Amino acid sequence: QSALTQPASVSGSPGQSITISCTGTSSDVGGYNYVSWYQQNPGKAPKLMIYEVTNRPSGVSHRFSGSKSGNTASLTISGLQAEDEADYYCSSYTSSSSVVFGGGTKVTVL
Amino acid sequence: QVQLQQSGPGVVKPSQTLSLTCAISGDSVSNNSSAWIWIRQSPSRGPEWLGRTFYRSKWYNDYALSVKSRITIDPDTSNNQFSLQLNSVTPEDTAVYYCTRDPVGGNWFDPWGQGTLVTVSS
Repeated sequence: QSALTQPASVSGSPGQSITISCTGTSSDVGGYNYVSWYQQNPGKAPKLMIYEVTNRPSGVSHRFSGSKSGNTASLTISGLQAEDEADYYCSSYTSSSSVVFGGGTKVTVL
Repeated sequence: QVQLQQSGPGVVKPSQTLSLTCAISGDSVSNNSSAWIWIRQSPSRGPEWLGRTFYRSKWYNDYALSVKSRITIDPDTSNNQFSLQLNSVTPEDTAVYYCTRDPVGGNWFDPWGQGTLVTVSS
C-alpha cells in the first residue's frame, strides 16, 4: 500500500488560514469516510486532531476542520497561531483492512 | 482516562526478535468495540501502521503486508496488555514504535503510548 501524498511543507502568517491536502486513491481515501489527521511535535507521539473526515475530538480547537472530495482529503487551520507549528499527518483505512499514512506536512508559522 | 504504557528493549541485534509490550489502564484489551494497534515511525518519515488485535466474540488480527510474514500481535487478558513481536529484524526496522487504540472501529487512534526507540544494531 503506497503512502498518501501530502505537501512537504505549508506556511502562513499568524491569523491566516492554511489547507493541507492528502491525496490517495479509491481504495483508501476515496472509498471510505475513515480519514483522520494527527499533529506531531518533535519528540512527541502524534495527537488526534480530526477523525472520520470531519469530526473534531473534545479539546481540539474549532480552528481545525476537515473535509474530503473524491480521493483527496484536506485539513484546514483557521486563524493560524504560533502553537500550530508542527508536523501533520493524514491517515486512511484501506481496502486491504489496513491503515495507510501520509508522508507528513511541516507547518511553519511565519 | 485511557493511558498506554510501553515497555521493552531499545536495542535488538540483527536477525533477532523485537518484543514490546503495551499496558492498558482505563480500558480493557477485551473491549468489544476497541482495537489495539502498533505503529512505527522511522526518522523523518511518516508513521507506518503495523497491525492490530481486537475482540469481537473471538480474537482477530490484521497485519500490514510489508511485515505480515514476521509479525505477531497478541492480547494478554490476564495483565490487560498487548504485545508486538517482530522476527528477523534488520537495520530497516529501526524506528520509534508506538502502541495505540482505535476506540470504536473508526480506524483513528487515540490515545498513544509514549513511544519506544528501537535500534537494530549489532
